[in-house]
Amino acid sequence: ELKVEQNPLFLSMQEGKNYTIYCNYSTTSDRLYWYRQDPGKSLESLFVLLSNGAVKQEGRLMASLDTKARLSTLHITAAVHDLSATYFCAGIYGGSQGNLIFGKGTKLSVKP
Amino acid sequence: DTGVSQDPRHKITKRGQNVTFRCDPISEHNRLYWYRQTLGQGPEFLTYFQNEAQLEKSRLLSDRFSAERPKGSFSTLEIQRTEQGDSAMYLCASSRPGLATDTQYFGPGTRLTVL
Repeated sequence: ELKVEQNPLFLSMQEGKNYTIYCNYSTTSDRLYWYRQDPGKSLESLFVLLSNGAVKQEGRLMASLDTKARLSTLHITAAVHDLSATYFCAGIYGGSQGNLIFGKGTKLSVKP
Repeated sequence: DTGVSQDPRHKITKRGQNVTFRCDPISEHNRLYWYRQTLGQGPEFLTYFQNEAQLEKSRLLSDRFSAERPKGSFSTLEIQRTEQGDSAMYLCASSRPGLATDTQYFGPGTRLTVL
């Protein structure tokens, strides 16, 4: 059974600083997803990582995948207040047909 | 291209009542998923349809829960004899397989409060 763990669960950053959110998963995952959720809102897809060494970047966010270490990272560069949200990583267990297994999320707060 | 829509957005009910939620997926997305999210947690999978066939159900989906997708388009999730523990955000997502990414796109959710 796939388990997904994120850390940290809470992250308070100052604007302009860099930080990394870590996502560890317990067994093989066909794909690794990152989603963003604003308070009271639904989930917005950020990245899909398909293979070992995959790196995707969008603005100040960069996601990477190391399948050997069963680790994905979401790196935040020069944080701005608009990035404040909860970030989830999710994997797909190889035996399923597509239901996502989510981590508990990392609540990011970027302060001026 | 409209996104996934859900109705109602909020539902307050008394314990023991039945409730039904509707989800309209993105057109041409033949996979539809239901998840439940409680405060401070990630979404948890409930069930999944490919076209009108319900292909997978979570152990979380007790016999009080039933989901349908009669014509392979919209889906309904019914909860019978609601309990306070059913209070959560119910999220629907859809995807179109065949794409390498098979990204699931989520709707705005239905927030259920059971008094």
